Amino acid sequence: NAGVTQTPKFRILKIGQSMTLQCTQDMNHNYMYWYRQDPGMGLKLIYYSVGAGITDKGEVPNGYNVSRSTTEDFPLRLELAAPSQTSVYFCASSSSDQPQHFGDGTRLSIL
Amino acid sequence: GDSVTQMEGPVTLSEEAFLTINCTYTATGYPSLFWYVQYPGEGLQLLLKATKADDKGSNKGFEATYRKETTSFHLEKGSVQVSDSAVYFCALSSGSARQLTFGSGTQLTVLP
Repeated sequence: NAGVTQTPKFRILKIGQSMTLQCTQDMNHNYMYWYRQDPGMGLKLIYYSVGAGITDKGEVPNGYNVSRSTTEDFPLRLELAAPSQTSVYFCASSSSDQPQHFGDGTRLSIL
Repeated sequence: GDSVTQMEGPVTLSEEAFLTINCTYTATGYPSLFWYVQYPGEGLQLLLKATKADDKGSNKGFEATYRKETTSFHLEKGSVQVSDSAVYFCALSSGSARQLTFGSGTQLTVLP
């Protein structure tokens, strides 16, 4: 039972490059979320989805895009990487009445 | 908007000491409350939860009680172990998608 799987685990980008952070869950959860965690801070919500085809902005969506074409997958896209996007990114999923399950994170550095 | 204020760290204790990490919240409505734990290099794991006022969540010797009158959800453990060293996050869930709002986290180090 894999739970929430994030890839890659680590990545270094140059300013202006783009990339997609992958997130897959095998628990048939409707809800999926992307958070970022900056050093010494709590997690902040970037985007979330309540089901396939439905996404919505969280607290810090600028510079990111998401899509939800299937229940299992919720990729996060950075179009023009900026140093301020250096962070650890966590994907999570849940069903309507259960706590969120988190992946192990993607550590992203933008230089 | 909703917010969570968490006791600032870091906190360093000796093994078998008593632990309290304070957490207070501001929210509209009646949120569910959570404590998550993060071990180095790992994602967040649910430690315990409470879904309504006066509920007590407990797990692995940790406890927290949902206090609506003081809008608090303080984490306690009677006797900490070295293996409890981690970062602890208080969080609340609200909104149509039950999105989480986190506190800033408290780093706990337990010395043998």
